[in-house]
Amino acid sequence: QVQLQESGPGLVKPSETLSLTCTVSGGSISSSYWSWIRQSPGKGLEWFGFIYYSGNTNYNPSLRSRVTILLDMSKNQFSLKLTSVTAADTAVYYCARGLSAFSAFDIWGQGTMVTVSS
Amino acid sequence: EIVLTQSPGTLSLSPGERATLSCRASQSVSSSYLAWYQQKPGQAPRLLIYGTSTRATGVPDRFSGSGSGTDFSLTISRLEPEDFAVYYCHQSNNSPRTFGQGTKVEIK
Repeated sequence: QVQLQESGPGLVKPSETLSLTCTVSGGSISSSYWSWIRQSPGKGLEWFGFIYYSGNTNYNPSLRSRVTILLDMSKNQFSLKLTSVTAADTAVYYCARGLSAFSAFDIWGQGTMVTVSS
Repeated sequence: EIVLTQSPGTLSLSPGERATLSCRASQSVSSSYLAWYQQKPGQAPRLLIYGTSTRATGVPDRFSGSGSGTDFSLTISRLEPEDFAVYYCHQSNNSPRTFGQGTKVEIK
């Protein structure tokens, strides 16, 4: 069955760029819609956006200016870049799958904690 | 942006009791695009219900969802010990996708 695994630094300095990767195993990335979601005590669950294997993306307008989601089919991975981070970006970051552009998220990674601090 | 408001914030019940959780949307959501998730401490959310009332694979039939328009609910007919967790509603009708703030179901 399809599984997702997030990876990346657990600590990022303020004003720098947060970069995370999600590896898809047990299935191909060349279908479905791949999202990033974070969870913090202050803001709950927050959706960043998704990417389709064609490269089409849909971003949360509130984060669009700082977010890039990319996909690497050769590695069966997709990634998140969040620029100019502040302490407010400290959260658990999840990658997740949606079977269509409007579907629920049926598979989630285990999550990775990212702390923004100097 | 569609705001989802869940109530109550915390539900204190005993095993075997019935739990009813509410999710109210700030504007109408198609019933095809309302989902519910369960989250336990230290774990990722798990999809329970999608399309308002369709149980995800492996979800016991004590979980049921209903509603339309702006009012949706999740019912757990008889609480089992493993059901004590936080539950979130989620809409994928509009972008950005949004989640409710969660209802914690705790043991009384």
